[in-house]
Amino acid sequence: AQKVTQAQTEISVVEKEDVTLDCVYETRDTTYYLFWYKQPPSGELVFLIRRNSFDEQNEISGRYSWNFQKSTSSFNFTITASQVVDSAVYFCALLGGSNYKLTFGKGTLLTVNP
Amino acid sequence: DAGVTQSPTHLIKTRGQQVTLRCSPKSGHDTVSWYQQALGQGPQFIFQYYEEEERQRGNFPDRFSGHQFPNYSSELNVNALLLGDSALYLCASSPSGGSSYGYTFGSGTRLTVV
Repeated sequence: AQKVTQAQTEISVVEKEDVTLDCVYETRDTTYYLFWYKQPPSGELVFLIRRNSFDEQNEISGRYSWNFQKSTSSFNFTITASQVVDSAVYFCALLGGSNYKLTFGKGTLLTVNP
Repeated sequence: DAGVTQSPTHLIKTRGQQVTLRCSPKSGHDTVSWYQQALGQGPQFIFQYYEEEERQRGNFPDRFSGHQFPNYSSELNVNALLLGDSALYLCASSPSGGSSYGYTFGSGTRLTVV
């Protein structure tokens, strides 16, 4: 069985603060893929990043960075110098090697206050 | 380049009725998946269609059925609607063999059952 846990239900920060969203996953597959999606109030899930299980390099894209650690089954997402436009629900998701379905966590609601 | 389009955007139905939701995949994509997202929850996989056949199904009753057309567009049908079927229904598309690259999601259809 595959499982994704996002323990933080809601986070509230003030603009320009750094914030980290946690994601812990469970899978028996040796090959798998991890994703982060952003869901603004409009409802559309916006793809942010994909990482495969063989690539543990951390990645930085502008103010966004991701830390993948297989040893702790975690794939955390950090926003540096947060902005009001970052306010949204963020989902971590897992795709198992032979599976076609994405397993999502329950999401973290991030509110960035001016 | 049009992304995934879904129709209608909102729908109100009465318990016991039937509903059909529609999805056009992103250009170049031939695989369509459907997800149900209840309020405050992560999306749950309903099923995936590829080459006009259901390739994988999640833990949903037979009241949920689908279809894929030769132009890759898809429909989700739900019979005998229950109040618990009220949710945001998301369609996602991907290129064939490219599930590991993740999915492009539409903005969803918000279904309310009264």
